[in-house]
Amino acid sequence: GAVVSQHPSRVICKSGTSVKIECRSLDFQATTMFWYRQFPKKSLMLMATSNEGSKATYEQGVEKDKFLINHASLTLSTLTVTSAHPEDSSFYICSAPRAGANEQFFGPGTRLTVL
Amino acid sequence: EDQVTQSPEALRLQEGESSSLNCSYTVSGLRGLFWYRQDPGKGPEFLFTLYSAGEEKEKERLKATLTKKESFLHITAPKPEDSATYLCAFGGGTSYGKLTFGQGTILTVHP
Repeated sequence: GAVVSQHPSRVICKSGTSVKIECRSLDFQATTMFWYRQFPKKSLMLMATSNEGSKATYEQGVEKDKFLINHASLTLSTLTVTSAHPEDSSFYICSAPRAGANEQFFGPGTRLTVL
Repeated sequence: EDQVTQSPEALRLQEGESSSLNCSYTVSGLRGLFWYRQDPGKGPEFLFTLYSAGEEKEKERLKATLTKKESFLHITAPKPEDSATYLCAFGGGTSYGKLTFGQGTILTVHP
Protein backbone atom coordinates (compact mmCIF):
# COMPACT_ATOMS: atom_id res chain seq x y z
CA GLY A 1 0.00 0.00 0.00
CA ALA A 2 0.88 3.64 -0.28
CA VAL A 3 3.10 5.15 2.37
CA VAL A 4 2.76 8.50 4.06
CA SER A 5 5.36 9.69 6.53
CA GLN A 6 5.36 12.42 9.14
CA HIS A 7 8.18 14.19 10.91
CA PRO A 8 8.74 14.60 13.75
CA SER A 9 6.88 11.76 15.47
CA ARG A 10 6.76 13.72 18.70
CA VAL A 11 7.74 17.18 19.81
CA ILE A 12 7.76 18.96 23.14
CA CYS A 13 8.02 22.73 23.10
CA LYS A 14 7.58 25.74 25.32
CA SER A 15 4.52 27.92 25.12
CA GLY A 16 4.89 30.67 22.53
CA THR A 17 7.16 28.81 20.15
CA SER A 18 6.23 27.65 16.66
CA VAL A 19 6.37 24.05 15.56
CA LYS A 20 6.54 22.71 12.01
CA ILE A 21 5.25 19.25 11.11
CA GLU A 22 6.03 17.67 7.75
CA CYS A 23 3.87 15.22 5.85
CA ARG A 24 5.31 13.36 2.87
CA SER A 25 3.82 10.92 0.42
CA LEU A 26 6.69 8.52 -0.26
CA ASP A 27 5.66 6.56 -3.32
CA PHE A 28 2.97 8.64 -4.98
CA GLN A 29 2.15 12.24 -5.73
CA ALA A 30 -0.59 14.01 -3.84
CA THR A 31 -2.04 17.28 -5.07
CA THR A 32 -4.21 17.30 -1.98
CA MET A 33 -3.40 16.36 1.58
CA PHE A 34 -5.48 16.61 4.71
CA TRP A 35 -4.59 17.55 8.25
CA TYR A 36 -6.46 16.14 11.24
CA ARG A 37 -6.09 16.49 14.96
CA GLN A 38 -7.09 13.93 17.53
CA PHE A 39 -7.55 14.41 21.26
CA PRO A 40 -7.09 11.47 23.66
CA LYS A 41 -9.76 8.82 23.18
CA LYS A 42 -11.52 10.97 20.60
CA SER A 43 -11.94 10.62 16.89
CA LEU A 44 -10.14 12.48 14.13
CA MET A 45 -11.30 15.98 13.37
CA LEU A 46 -10.46 17.45 9.99
CA MET A 47 -8.63 20.75 10.32
CA ALA A 48 -7.80 21.72 6.77
CA THR A 49 -7.25 20.65 3.21
CA SER A 50 -3.79 21.34 1.82
CA ASN A 51 -3.74 22.08 -1.91
CA GLU A 52 -0.57 22.03 -3.98
CA GLY A 53 -0.14 25.35 -5.72
CA SER A 54 -2.96 27.16 -3.93
CA LYS A 55 -4.15 28.22 -0.51
CA ALA A 56 -5.28 25.71 2.05
CA THR A 57 -8.95 25.36 2.88
CA TYR A 58 -9.75 25.44 6.58
CA GLU A 59 -12.67 23.86 8.37
CA GLN A 60 -15.03 26.00 10.36
CA GLY A 61 -13.55 27.05 13.67
CA VAL A 62 -9.93 26.40 12.73
CA GLU A 63 -7.75 29.52 12.87
CA LYS A 64 -5.81 29.80 9.63
CA ASP A 65 -3.32 32.25 11.17
CA LYS A 66 -2.68 29.79 13.96
CA PHE A 67 -2.24 26.71 11.81
CA LEU A 68 -0.24 27.63 8.72
CA ILE A 69 -0.28 25.12 5.90
CA ASN A 70 2.08 25.07 2.95
CA HIS A 71 1.89 22.48 0.18
CA ALA A 72 5.39 22.95 -1.15
CA SER A 73 5.43 20.14 -3.71
CA LEU A 74 3.43 17.16 -4.92
CA THR A 75 4.88 15.06 -2.11
CA LEU A 76 5.18 17.48 0.81
CA SER A 77 2.78 19.44 2.97
CA THR A 78 3.75 21.22 6.17
CA LEU A 79 1.66 22.32 9.12
CA THR A 80 3.11 25.05 11.33
CA VAL A 81 1.52 25.63 14.70
CA THR A 82 2.37 29.25 15.44
CA SER A 83 2.79 30.58 18.97
CA ALA A 84 1.79 27.26 20.41
CA HIS A 85 -0.06 27.09 23.70
CA PRO A 86 -0.88 24.13 25.97
CA GLU A 87 -4.36 23.84 24.46
CA ASP A 88 -2.70 23.08 21.11
CA SER A 89 -1.27 19.89 22.56
CA SER A 90 -2.73 17.07 20.51
CA PHE A 91 -2.02 14.29 18.06
CA TYR A 92 -1.75 15.67 14.53
CA ILE A 93 -2.23 13.31 11.61
CA CYS A 94 -1.99 13.94 7.89
CA SER A 95 -3.48 11.93 5.07
CA ALA A 96 -3.17 11.82 1.32
CA PRO A 97 -5.42 10.27 -1.31
CA ARG A 98 -3.63 8.61 -4.18
CA ALA A 99 -4.66 9.98 -7.55
CA GLY A 100 -7.41 7.92 -9.13
CA ALA A 101 -8.14 6.07 -5.91
CA ASN A 102 -10.93 6.92 -3.52
CA GLU A 103 -8.77 5.77 -0.63
CA GLN A 104 -6.72 7.78 1.80
CA PHE A 105 -3.51 6.81 3.45
CA PHE A 106 -2.60 8.22 6.81
CA GLY A 107 0.71 9.19 8.29
CA PRO A 108 1.84 7.80 11.65
CA GLY A 109 0.95 11.03 13.44
CA THR A 110 2.87 13.66 15.41
CA ARG A 111 2.37 14.03 19.14
CA LEU A 112 2.69 17.70 20.11
CA THR A 113 3.07 18.64 23.76
CA VAL A 114 3.21 22.32 24.64
CA LEU A 115 4.46 23.09 28.13
CA GLU B 1 -26.48 17.48 8.43
CA ASP B 2 -24.14 14.69 7.42
CA GLN B 3 -23.07 12.51 10.30
CA VAL B 4 -21.80 9.09 11.25
CA THR B 5 -22.32 7.27 14.53
CA GLN B 6 -20.52 4.17 15.72
CA SER B 7 -21.65 1.66 18.32
CA PRO B 8 -20.78 0.36 20.76
CA GLU B 9 -18.20 2.80 22.11
CA ALA B 10 -16.28 -0.10 23.61
CA LEU B 11 -16.48 -3.84 23.17
CA ARG B 12 -14.76 -6.54 25.17
CA LEU B 13 -14.58 -10.02 23.70
CA GLN B 14 -13.01 -13.29 24.62
CA GLU B 15 -10.65 -14.77 22.09
CA GLY B 16 -12.72 -16.65 19.54
CA GLU B 17 -15.96 -14.82 20.39
CA SER B 18 -17.31 -13.37 17.13
CA SER B 19 -19.16 -10.05 17.09
CA SER B 20 -20.02 -7.01 14.97
CA LEU B 21 -19.38 -3.29 15.11
CA ASN B 22 -21.95 -0.87 13.75
CA CYS B 23 -21.57 2.36 11.80
CA SER B 24 -24.75 4.31 11.04
CA TYR B 25 -24.59 7.21 8.64
CA THR B 26 -26.69 10.00 7.27
CA VAL B 27 -25.02 11.64 4.32
CA SER B 28 -25.96 13.08 0.99
CA GLY B 29 -23.87 11.96 -1.93
CA LEU B 30 -21.93 9.15 -0.31
CA ARG B 31 -18.55 8.61 -1.94
CA GLY B 32 -17.44 5.62 -0.05
CA LEU B 33 -17.72 4.24 3.46
CA PHE B 34 -14.30 3.57 4.94
CA TRP B 35 -13.11 1.36 7.76
CA TYR B 36 -9.81 1.98 9.50
CA ARG B 37 -7.97 0.35 12.37
CA GLN B 38 -6.02 2.56 14.75
CA ASP B 39 -3.53 1.35 17.33
CA PRO B 40 -2.63 3.63 20.28
CA GLY B 41 -0.26 6.41 19.25
CA LYS B 42 -0.42 5.48 15.58
CA GLY B 43 -2.17 6.78 12.50
CA PRO B 44 -5.21 4.95 11.11
CA GLU B 45 -4.52 1.90 8.97
CA PHE B 46 -6.80 1.42 5.98
CA LEU B 47 -8.98 -1.69 6.01
CA PHE B 48 -11.87 -1.39 3.54
CA THR B 49 -13.83 0.92 1.28
CA LEU B 50 -17.44 0.15 0.40
CA TYR B 51 -19.27 2.09 -2.26
CA SER B 52 -22.76 0.68 -2.68
CA ALA B 53 -25.45 -1.06 -0.65
CA GLY B 54 -25.03 -4.81 -0.68
CA GLU B 55 -21.30 -4.66 -1.13
CA GLU B 56 -19.11 -6.86 1.10
CA LYS B 57 -15.36 -7.07 1.54
CA GLU B 58 -13.24 -9.46 3.58
CA LYS B 59 -9.75 -9.48 4.96
CA GLU B 60 -8.61 -12.28 7.25
CA ARG B 61 -10.99 -12.31 10.24
CA LEU B 62 -12.75 -9.10 9.20
CA LYS B 63 -15.71 -8.63 6.90
CA ALA B 64 -17.33 -5.29 6.13
CA THR B 65 -20.86 -4.92 4.78
CA LEU B 66 -22.89 -1.91 3.67
CA THR B 67 -26.58 -1.06 3.52
CA LYS B 68 -28.23 2.24 2.64
CA LYS B 69 -28.08 3.41 6.23
CA GLU B 70 -25.32 1.52 8.00
CA SER B 71 -22.21 -0.56 7.74
CA PHE B 72 -21.10 -3.47 9.85
CA LEU B 73 -17.63 -4.73 10.59
CA HIS B 74 -17.90 -8.40 11.48
CA ILE B 75 -15.04 -9.95 13.41
CA THR B 76 -14.89 -13.73 13.29
CA ALA B 77 -12.98 -15.65 15.96
CA PRO B 78 -10.98 -12.60 17.07
CA LYS B 79 -7.50 -12.81 18.51
CA PRO B 80 -5.85 -10.51 21.07
CA GLU B 81 -3.90 -8.83 18.24
CA ASP B 82 -7.22 -7.60 16.84
CA SER B 83 -7.50 -5.27 19.83
CA ALA B 84 -7.55 -1.70 18.53
CA THR B 85 -9.88 1.21 17.85
CA TYR B 86 -11.94 0.71 14.72
CA LEU B 87 -13.00 3.84 12.93
CA CYS B 88 -15.52 4.26 10.17
CA ALA B 89 -15.66 7.33 7.98
CA PHE B 90 -17.52 8.53 4.96
CA GLY B 91 -16.31 10.51 2.05
CA GLY B 92 -18.91 12.67 0.45
CA GLY B 93 -20.34 16.04 -0.25
CA THR B 94 -18.71 18.48 -2.58
CA SER B 95 -15.16 18.08 -1.38
CA TYR B 96 -13.66 14.96 -2.82
CA GLY B 97 -11.34 13.19 -0.47
CA LYS B 98 -12.53 14.75 2.80
CA LEU B 99 -13.43 12.14 5.36
CA THR B 100 -15.81 12.53 8.28
CA PHE B 101 -15.08 10.06 11.05
CA GLY B 102 -17.25 8.40 13.61
CA GLN B 103 -16.10 8.38 17.21
CA GLY B 104 -14.73 4.85 16.96
CA THR B 105 -15.22 1.55 18.75
CA ILE B 106 -12.50 0.42 21.14
CA LEU B 107 -12.19 -3.33 20.79
CA THR B 108 -10.42 -5.39 23.42
CA VAL B 109 -9.94 -9.11 22.89
CA HIS B 110 -8.92 -11.08 25.95
CA PRO B 111 -6.95 -14.31 25.60
